[in-house]
Amino acid sequence: GEDVEQSLFLSVREGDSSVINCTYTDSSSTYLYWYKQEPGAGLQLLTYIFSNMDMKQDQRLTVLLNKKDKHLSLRIADTQTGDSAIYFCAEKRTGNQFYFGTGTSLTVIP
Amino acid sequence: GAVVSQHPSWVICKSGTSVKIECRSLDFQATTMFWYRQFPKQSLMLMATSNEGSKATYEQGVEKDKFLINHASLTLSTLTVTSAHPEDSSFYICSSSITGSYSNQPQHFGDGTRLSIL
Repeated sequence: GEDVEQSLFLSVREGDSSVINCTYTDSSSTYLYWYKQEPGAGLQLLTYIFSNMDMKQDQRLTVLLNKKDKHLSLRIADTQTGDSAIYFCAEKRTGNQFYFGTGTSLTVIP
Repeated sequence: GAVVSQHPSWVICKSGTSVKIECRSLDFQATTMFWYRQFPKQSLMLMATSNEGSKATYEQGVEKDKFLINHASLTLSTLTVTSAHPEDSSFYICSSSITGSYSNQPQHFGDGTRLSIL
């Protein structure tokens, strides 16, 4: 189908690692992205990965891509209370259109 | 870096009013902008693709006479919700990316407009 799927909720303790998963649909998508949305705000780009890469690391963020299974994950190391937000994965399809996952609400417990 | 500015951030108005939302790219030219709608605790739904100097392309199920899009310049796209009703209440977000040969350019988002129709 057309949906980009994510689990809806994730709770972790402060200092632990968070792993947010995403399953996308279009095998021809060249770039995949992770965005963060805080309450009442727009989306903030966190990181992105090219489809011919398996992994990308950017400070506390690690993106893993399994193109065969169309599975994308975002790992946040040393999760902080300020990381509490909704995280969206997105795939870039033809025509420069972005399609977003359903969003994962991350709650960090102090 | 690239910035997209959206205005207003919050609108409350009576049923039947038309509401215009502006989306500006502040430091880059955007031949294409995108308009999304987001219901509480849900993902973004692409409504339409706004093309500078030509008609917008609407997603299936989005009424083009209800949601008028104008993209008259390379830095400004507007979305007008005509004769708004309570069911149009939502969070509207615009986005754009730098045009050109850099196909990895991500979407940059405005901060969104919360529309409440009484």
